[in-house]
Amino acid sequence: KNEVEQSPQNLTAQEGEFITINCSYSVGISALHWLQQHPGGGIVSLFMLSSGKKKHGRLIATINIQEKHSSLHITASHPRDSAVYICAAGGSQGNLIFGKGTKLSVKP
Amino acid sequence: NAGVTQTPKFQVLKTGQSMTLQCAQDMNHEYMSWYRQDPGMGLRLIHYSVGAGITDQGEVPNGYNVSRSTTEDFPLRLLSAAPSQTSVYFCASRLANTGELFFGEGSRLTVL
Repeated sequence: KNEVEQSPQNLTAQEGEFITINCSYSVGISALHWLQQHPGGGIVSLFMLSSGKKKHGRLIATINIQEKHSSLHITASHPRDSAVYICAAGGSQGNLIFGKGTKLSVKP
Repeated sequence: NAGVTQTPKFQVLKTGQSMTLQCAQDMNHEYMSWYRQDPGMGLRLIHYSVGAGITDQGEVPNGYNVSRSTTEDFPLRLLSAAPSQTSVYFCASRLANTGELFFGEGSRLTVL
């Protein structure tokens, strides 16, 4: 069993829809990271959180430490949000364990 | 700041050849790491460093070598390339073991 599981693996949405991507982890963590990777592109950090909720524009990330679960929400989705979203669990030693990613496609 | 600079972007090697992927950051980050990304798999840690002169192995270190002589640079060496090392490689840095991650643009390596 992977230590970091993401769901769904693939997600297709219509422009304007509310999107949720889930991440569950089985390891103890100091922080949970959400990353974005555009096709053929580099990887950008969206959020790093260890408790509660963070918001940046149309993106919201939440984490429940007790349940070992985090969600990434995108409100009013847009085709430019199409990308692979990756969650990564960070332990106290600093190394990260990555999920396999969720490929999001937003249709106009 | 340039952030994390990774070179080359593309490289084709023949089996048995050696090469070095370069990684430099100008943010005075202590922690630097190398990952490989393969289809259907998450990013996997190859080697990492928590400061100049300190390196350690990650999940998939075999066939790779690293050194950290300065805070800024963290090169990854392939000693004798194998087709199994065909992958996309990412270098990343962070301020400390709990800081935000910054990635290089990636290096696509093909070993024939």
